[in-house]
Amino acid sequence: AQRVTQPEKLLSVFKGAPVELKCNYSYSGSPELFWYVQYSRQRLQLLLRHISRESIKGFTADLNKGETSFHLKKPFAQEEDSAMYYCALSGSSNTGKLIFGQGTTLQVKP
Amino acid sequence: EAGVAQSPRYKIIEKRQSVAFWCNPISGHATLYWYQQILGQGPKLLIQFQNNGVVDDSQLPKDRFSAERLKGVDSTLKIQPAKLEDSAVYLCASSYRDRSFATGRELFFGEGSRLTVL
Repeated sequence: AQRVTQPEKLLSVFKGAPVELKCNYSYSGSPELFWYVQYSRQRLQLLLRHISRESIKGFTADLNKGETSFHLKKPFAQEEDSAMYYCALSGSSNTGKLIFGQGTTLQVKP
Repeated sequence: EAGVAQSPRYKIIEKRQSVAFWCNPISGHATLYWYQQILGQGPKLLIQFQNNGVVDDSQLPKDRFSAERLKGVDSTLKIQPAKLEDSAVYLCASSYRDRSFATGRELFFGEGSRLTVL
Protein backbone atom coordinates (compact mmCIF):
# COMPACT_ATOMS: atom_id res chain seq x y z
CA ALA A 1 0.00 0.00 0.00
CA GLN A 2 1.13 3.53 -0.69
CA ARG A 3 1.50 5.59 2.43
CA VAL A 4 3.22 8.78 3.60
CA THR A 5 4.07 9.31 7.26
CA GLN A 6 5.02 12.58 8.87
CA PRO A 7 5.73 11.66 12.49
CA GLU A 8 5.67 15.18 13.94
CA LYS A 9 2.45 17.19 14.10
CA LEU A 10 4.28 20.24 15.38
CA LEU A 11 7.88 21.36 15.14
CA SER A 12 8.86 24.49 17.01
CA VAL A 13 12.28 26.10 16.57
CA PHE A 14 13.90 29.46 17.13
CA LYS A 15 14.83 31.75 14.28
CA GLY A 16 18.25 30.86 12.92
CA ALA A 17 18.08 27.25 14.12
CA PRO A 18 18.29 24.33 11.68
CA VAL A 19 15.06 22.67 10.63
CA GLU A 20 14.34 19.10 9.59
CA LEU A 21 10.81 18.01 8.79
CA LYS A 22 10.61 14.25 8.58
CA CYS A 23 8.82 12.26 5.90
CA ASN A 24 8.81 8.51 5.39
CA TYR A 25 6.98 6.70 2.66
CA SER A 26 5.83 3.22 1.80
CA TYR A 27 5.87 2.32 -1.88
CA SER A 28 7.17 -0.67 -3.80
CA GLY A 29 8.14 1.04 -7.04
CA SER A 30 9.95 4.26 -7.96
CA PRO A 31 8.03 7.09 -6.37
CA GLU A 32 8.02 10.79 -7.03
CA LEU A 33 8.13 12.81 -3.83
CA PHE A 34 7.00 16.36 -3.23
CA TRP A 35 6.77 18.89 -0.44
CA TYR A 36 3.74 21.18 -0.43
CA VAL A 37 3.35 24.15 1.91
CA GLN A 38 0.38 26.12 3.17
CA TYR A 39 1.09 29.54 4.68
CA SER A 40 -1.51 31.18 6.88
CA ARG A 41 -4.57 32.23 4.86
CA GLN A 42 -3.04 31.01 1.61
CA ARG A 43 -3.74 28.04 -0.57
CA LEU A 44 -1.70 24.85 -0.66
CA GLN A 45 1.23 25.20 -3.05
CA LEU A 46 4.20 23.23 -4.27
CA LEU A 47 7.47 23.92 -2.45
CA LEU A 48 9.77 21.44 -4.13
CA ARG A 49 9.96 18.08 -5.87
CA HIS A 50 12.70 15.50 -5.60
CA ILE A 51 13.13 15.12 -9.35
CA SER A 52 14.23 18.75 -9.67
CA ARG A 53 16.92 18.48 -7.00
CA GLU A 54 16.59 22.18 -6.36
CA SER A 55 16.70 24.46 -3.34
CA ILE A 56 13.62 26.62 -2.82
CA LYS A 57 13.59 29.36 -0.17
CA GLY A 58 16.65 27.69 1.32
CA PHE A 59 14.89 24.33 1.70
CA THR A 60 16.28 21.10 0.29
CA ALA A 61 15.10 17.50 0.38
CA ASP A 62 16.93 14.37 -0.66
CA LEU A 63 15.20 11.15 -1.58
CA ASN A 64 16.75 8.26 0.34
CA LYS A 65 15.38 5.08 -1.19
CA GLY A 66 17.22 2.86 1.29
CA GLU A 67 15.52 4.52 4.25
CA THR A 68 12.37 5.38 2.25
CA SER A 69 12.63 8.95 3.45
CA PHE A 70 12.34 12.43 1.98
CA HIS A 71 13.15 14.78 4.84
CA LEU A 72 12.90 18.53 4.31
CA LYS A 73 15.82 20.58 5.62
CA LYS A 74 16.84 24.17 6.04
CA PRO A 75 20.03 25.26 7.81
CA PHE A 76 18.69 28.52 9.26
CA ALA A 77 14.96 28.91 9.88
CA GLN A 78 13.22 32.25 9.30
CA GLU A 79 9.99 33.46 10.88
CA GLU A 80 8.35 33.52 7.44
CA ASP A 81 8.90 29.77 7.18
CA SER A 82 6.14 29.23 9.73
CA ALA A 83 3.50 27.21 7.90
CA MET A 84 1.95 23.77 7.44
CA TYR A 85 4.13 21.40 5.44
CA TYR A 86 2.87 18.30 3.64
CA CYS A 87 4.94 15.54 2.15
CA ALA A 88 3.30 13.87 -0.85
CA LEU A 89 3.91 10.81 -2.98
CA SER A 90 3.03 10.09 -6.58
CA GLY A 91 3.24 6.46 -7.57
CA SER A 92 3.54 4.57 -10.82
CA SER A 93 -0.10 4.81 -11.78
CA ASN A 94 0.96 7.63 -14.06
CA THR A 95 -2.12 9.61 -13.19
CA GLY A 96 -0.38 12.29 -11.19
CA LYS A 97 -2.50 11.48 -8.15
CA LEU A 98 -0.84 12.59 -4.92
CA ILE A 99 -0.98 10.80 -1.57
CA PHE A 100 -0.38 13.22 1.28
CA GLY A 101 1.01 12.81 4.75
CA GLN A 102 -0.79 14.26 7.73
CA GLY A 103 1.28 17.40 7.72
CA THR A 104 3.68 19.09 10.13
CA THR A 105 3.16 22.57 11.49
CA LEU A 106 6.44 24.46 11.59
CA GLN A 107 6.54 27.27 14.10
CA VAL A 108 9.58 29.54 13.99
CA LYS A 109 9.87 31.68 17.08
CA PRO A 110 11.67 35.04 17.10
CA GLU B 1 -2.91 33.86 -14.54
CA ALA B 2 -6.09 33.27 -12.57
CA GLY B 3 -5.92 30.47 -10.05
CA VAL B 4 -8.31 27.63 -9.32
CA ALA B 5 -11.64 29.08 -8.25
CA GLN B 6 -13.95 27.38 -5.77
CA SER B 7 -17.32 28.23 -4.28
CA PRO B 8 -18.82 28.51 -1.81
CA ARG B 9 -15.99 29.15 0.63
CA TYR B 10 -18.09 28.11 3.61
CA LYS B 11 -21.24 26.04 4.01
CA ILE B 12 -23.12 24.92 7.10
CA ILE B 13 -25.88 22.32 6.73
CA GLU B 14 -27.84 19.87 8.82
CA LYS B 15 -27.14 16.17 8.48
CA ARG B 16 -29.15 14.45 5.75
CA GLN B 17 -29.26 17.69 3.72
CA SER B 18 -27.50 18.03 0.40
CA VAL B 19 -24.71 20.36 -0.69
CA ALA B 20 -22.84 21.12 -3.91
CA PHE B 21 -19.40 22.58 -4.47
CA TRP B 22 -18.16 24.14 -7.66
CA CYS B 23 -14.66 24.35 -9.09
CA ASN B 24 -13.23 26.17 -12.09
CA PRO B 25 -9.67 25.03 -12.85
CA ILE B 26 -6.88 27.04 -14.40
CA SER B 27 -7.52 27.55 -18.10
CA GLY B 28 -6.00 24.78 -20.19
CA HIS B 29 -5.57 22.35 -17.31
CA ALA B 30 -6.86 18.98 -18.46
CA THR B 31 -6.69 17.22 -15.10
CA LEU B 32 -8.93 18.11 -12.18
CA TYR B 33 -8.89 16.63 -8.68
CA TRP B 34 -11.23 16.80 -5.70
CA TYR B 35 -9.60 16.21 -2.33
CA GLN B 36 -11.22 15.95 1.10
CA GLN B 37 -9.26 17.30 4.04
CA ILE B 38 -10.58 16.46 7.49
CA LEU B 39 -9.26 18.57 10.34
CA GLY B 40 -5.81 17.38 11.44
CA GLN B 41 -5.31 15.17 8.41
CA GLY B 42 -3.70 15.52 5.02
CA PRO B 43 -5.78 15.85 1.86
CA LYS B 44 -7.30 12.61 0.58
CA LEU B 45 -8.18 12.18 -3.09
CA LEU B 46 -11.86 11.66 -3.78
CA ILE B 47 -11.94 11.77 -7.56
CA GLN B 48 -9.71 12.66 -10.51
CA PHE B 49 -10.87 13.75 -13.96
CA GLN B 50 -8.90 13.84 -17.18
CA ASN B 51 -10.87 16.24 -19.40
CA ASN B 52 -14.43 15.01 -18.83
CA GLY B 53 -13.55 11.39 -18.03
CA VAL B 54 -13.02 9.85 -14.59
CA VAL B 55 -9.49 8.53 -14.02
CA ASP B 56 -9.76 7.50 -10.37
CA ASP B 57 -12.78 7.49 -8.06
CA SER B 58 -11.74 4.56 -5.89
CA GLN B 59 -12.07 6.53 -2.65
CA LEU B 60 -15.28 8.36 -3.47
CA PRO B 61 -18.20 7.19 -1.24
CA LYS B 62 -20.48 6.67 -4.17
CA ASP B 63 -23.58 6.06 -2.09
CA ARG B 64 -23.61 9.74 -1.15
CA PHE B 65 -20.97 11.57 -3.18
CA SER B 66 -21.11 12.36 -6.87
CA ALA B 67 -19.03 14.53 -9.15
CA GLU B 68 -19.16 15.59 -12.75
CA ARG B 69 -17.14 17.56 -15.24
CA LEU B 70 -19.46 17.58 -18.19
CA LYS B 71 -17.63 19.85 -20.62
CA GLY B 72 -14.13 19.10 -19.43
CA VAL B 73 -13.75 22.47 -17.73
CA ASP B 74 -15.50 23.26 -14.46
CA SER B 75 -16.68 20.59 -12.05
CA THR B 76 -19.29 20.05 -9.36
CA LEU B 77 -19.00 17.82 -6.30
CA LYS B 78 -22.26 16.89 -4.58
CA ILE B 79 -23.00 15.25 -1.25
CA GLN B 80 -26.46 13.83 -0.66
CA PRO B 81 -27.34 13.09 2.09
CA ALA B 82 -24.60 14.59 4.23
CA LYS B 83 -23.30 12.92 7.37
CA LEU B 84 -21.53 14.43 10.35
CA GLU B 85 -18.25 12.84 9.25
CA ASP B 86 -18.39 14.76 5.96
CA SER B 87 -17.38 17.92 7.80
CA ALA B 88 -14.13 18.86 6.08
CA VAL B 89 -12.48 21.21 3.63
CA TYR B 90 -13.05 20.18 0.03
CA LEU B 91 -10.10 21.11 -2.12
CA CYS B 92 -10.12 21.32 -5.87
CA ALA B 93 -6.84 21.13 -7.76
CA SER B 94 -5.83 21.12 -11.40
CA SER B 95 -2.74 20.31 -13.42
CA TYR B 96 -1.85 20.89 -17.05
CA ARG B 97 -0.11 17.69 -17.98
CA ASP B 98 -2.00 14.83 -19.48
CA ARG B 99 -1.58 11.20 -18.44
CA SER B 100 1.46 10.64 -20.60
CA PHE B 101 3.54 13.24 -18.79
CA ALA B 102 3.16 12.39 -15.12
CA THR B 103 6.74 13.10 -14.10
CA GLY B 104 7.15 16.28 -12.13
CA ARG B 105 3.48 17.19 -12.37
CA GLU B 106 2.49 20.13 -10.16
CA LEU B 107 -0.98 20.47 -8.69
CA PHE B 108 -2.49 23.94 -8.32
CA PHE B 109 -5.00 24.15 -5.50
CA GLY B 110 -8.02 26.31 -4.88
CA GLU B 111 -8.73 27.94 -1.53
CA GLY B 112 -11.13 25.18 -0.58
CA SER B 113 -14.75 24.94 0.50
CA ARG B 114 -15.23 24.38 4.22
CA LEU B 115 -18.25 22.24 5.04
CA THR B 116 -19.73 21.94 8.51
CA VAL B 117 -22.44 19.32 9.03
CA LEU B 118 -24.51 19.75 12.20
